[in-house]
Amino acid sequence: GAVVSQHPSRVICKSGTSVKIECRSLDFQATTMFWYRQFPKQSLMLMATSNEGSKATYEQGVEKDKFLINHASLTLSTLTVTSAHPEDSSFYICSARASQETQYFGPGTRLLVL
Amino acid sequence: QKEVEQDPGPLSVPEGAIVSLNCTYSNSAFQYFMWYRQYSRKGPELLMYTYSSGNKEDGRFTAQVDKSSKYISLFIRDSQPSDSATYLCAMSEQAGTALIFGKGTTLSVSS
Repeated sequence: GAVVSQHPSRVICKSGTSVKIECRSLDFQATTMFWYRQFPKQSLMLMATSNEGSKATYEQGVEKDKFLINHASLTLSTLTVTSAHPEDSSFYICSARASQETQYFGPGTRLLVL
Repeated sequence: QKEVEQDPGPLSVPEGAIVSLNCTYSNSAFQYFMWYRQYSRKGPELLMYTYSSGNKEDGRFTAQVDKSSKYISLFIRDSQPSDSATYLCAMSEQAGTALIFGKGTTLSVSS
């Protein structure tokens, strides 16, 4: 199957700092990538849809100025959590659309804000 | 009412048992249905993909979709300890769009 990577896999940062998470499709091109957030024992919640070369579409309740998304190429999308706070601590997962029907998920990035 | 309901379990079965996992949903516009497996602290892995109603089989896994009842199922035959994971159902209205997930059911298969 298609491979999606994320970097870093785990990050710990101080409150108020910014963190960048990368999502890469390794063996296919993805015009669309999705960013999800998953709290413990909860389901994946869609944060935003990232389209290559255009602005991301954010879900209701997700602050676009806090969660900056850049999809600069067909294989890379980045999520930057700006001015992170402890409540932003979560598991962030991206997925990349490999075909009209299927999308593949990255391994996730665990963010802990102290 | 949430769009997708899934019993979180946990569900514990002995090795070799048949496992039945289910989700119900309220949005009749959903057409694409998927089952993902997620191990602890890992990203979800696609197991099964089904369009509209019907059955699909892949090895020990069978996915069923009943759109009239807004009910989908995943059956695992001859369950193995390596099947122990959280199983997430997901669905979308259109192909390739963002997915709406259930909460996930945690399965434990004991040897």
